[in-house]
Amino acid sequence: GAGVSQSPSNKVTEKGKDVELRCDPISGHTALYWYRQSLGQGLEFLIYFQGNSAPDKSGLPSDRFSAERTGGSVSTLTIQRTQQEDSAVYLCASSYASAQETQYFGPGTRLLVL
Amino acid sequence: GQQVMQIPQYQHVQEGEDFTTYCNSSTTLSNIQWYKQRPGGHPVFLIQLVKSGEVKKQKRLTFQFGEAKKNSSLHITATQTTDVGTYFCRLNQAGTALIFGKGTTLSVSS
Repeated sequence: GAGVSQSPSNKVTEKGKDVELRCDPISGHTALYWYRQSLGQGLEFLIYFQGNSAPDKSGLPSDRFSAERTGGSVSTLTIQRTQQEDSAVYLCASSYASAQETQYFGPGTRLLVL
Repeated sequence: GQQVMQIPQYQHVQEGEDFTTYCNSSTTLSNIQWYKQRPGGHPVFLIQLVKSGEVKKQKRLTFQFGEAKKNSSLHITATQTTDVGTYFCRLNQAGTALIFGKGTTLSVSS
């Protein structure tokens, strides 16, 4: 596609529910990243996929967070048993081949946990 | 681990004044990237600096990479209201996790 797309754009859920956030990277990009941005804060790295390599999960804040990337393209970030502190904007980005390159960000998913 | 400090956290200027944000790393970098995030938007890539002492310009924006490749600055000359947003530096060092600075949020009053 022309850019990175994410869905849904907004998600409101109740505490304790599971949510799935989707990211479609730019076609041909092998590297994909998930970040979390709380209101007025910086970008918190969550997870990084590079081709067929094992993902770098070092940024995931707890075992309630997981992510998959199927077929080297679309990625899903899953948050289980959501908590109010999970409320944030979840940004996905992709780059052509490696973490050293320019990252192209999607519009983000705004998650609100009530 | 690698540390990054970006200062100031916030800056308010009058339109026409200059603005500078600084990004400092505790370790030597392979390269550094700068991104801009408009209010309500997502980060957008501005530039990448690779060489020691490198200086690049984009219209009113001047980017510098320190001689020791541990720090960088972004300077905006004669700010305009369109410059409003948060400016992030992103550090690249081989073998480390992806690190963004906390950003400098610029507000401009006309």
